[in-house]
Amino acid sequence: QVQLVQSGAEVKKPGASVKVSCQISEYTLSDLSIHWVRQAPGKGLEWMGGSDPEDGKTVYAQKFQGRVTMTEDTSTDTAYMELNSLRSEDTAVYYCATTLAPLTLNFDYWGQGTLVTVSS
Amino acid sequence: EIVMTQSPATLSVSPGERATLSCRASQSVSDNLAWYQQKPGQAPRLLIYGAFNRATGIPARFSGSGFGTEFTLTIRSLQSEDFAVYYCQQYNNWPPITFGPGTKLDFK
Repeated sequence: QVQLVQSGAEVKKPGASVKVSCQISEYTLSDLSIHWVRQAPGKGLEWMGGSDPEDGKTVYAQKFQGRVTMTEDTSTDTAYMELNSLRSEDTAVYYCATTLAPLTLNFDYWGQGTLVTVSS
Repeated sequence: EIVMTQSPATLSVSPGERATLSCRASQSVSDNLAWYQQKPGQAPRLLIYGAFNRATGIPARFSGSGFGTEFTLTIRSLQSEDFAVYYCQQYNNWPPITFGPGTKLDFK
């Protein structure tokens, strides 16, 4: 089964950027569609974006367009999510997630989560 | 954007009883509906996909039903480890993929 291991917690100031990594093991990144979901403290799950399993193109939620970049390094099987112009409302746990099932977007594998705190 | 709603927000049930959780989509999502369980400090865990298919390793006491806009997650004979927050997710019309606000299942 696939394992997703994320980078550690981050504390950032408003206006800064954060880059969270998601290391894939037991599978190769090129065989997977990685998505990112965040969860503010005490709140629900919010999808940020991910790769379309049909064509591999990255799709972002409109809310984050222009502020988020999701990239992949297939040489190290690591996916990245970078969020710019951070504000306090971006304080959340950020998860990477994926599935081994083809052409579907329910997520049976999740990283452990990365807490990003935005505070002056 | 498809808006997902869940009811109730909190459901208080005793161990051994049955819990019925509802999820509604603002427009049809066919059977492209998943349910997740989340416990404090943990990542979500996939329970049901395709509206009624149990994910690998999920006990048979969890069952999903529904199609289109109305969905139900039923948990028979609640165990202590089942008390958690449950989210539904649609992946039919995307972007965006959308989640419901969650139902907290707690001890009565």
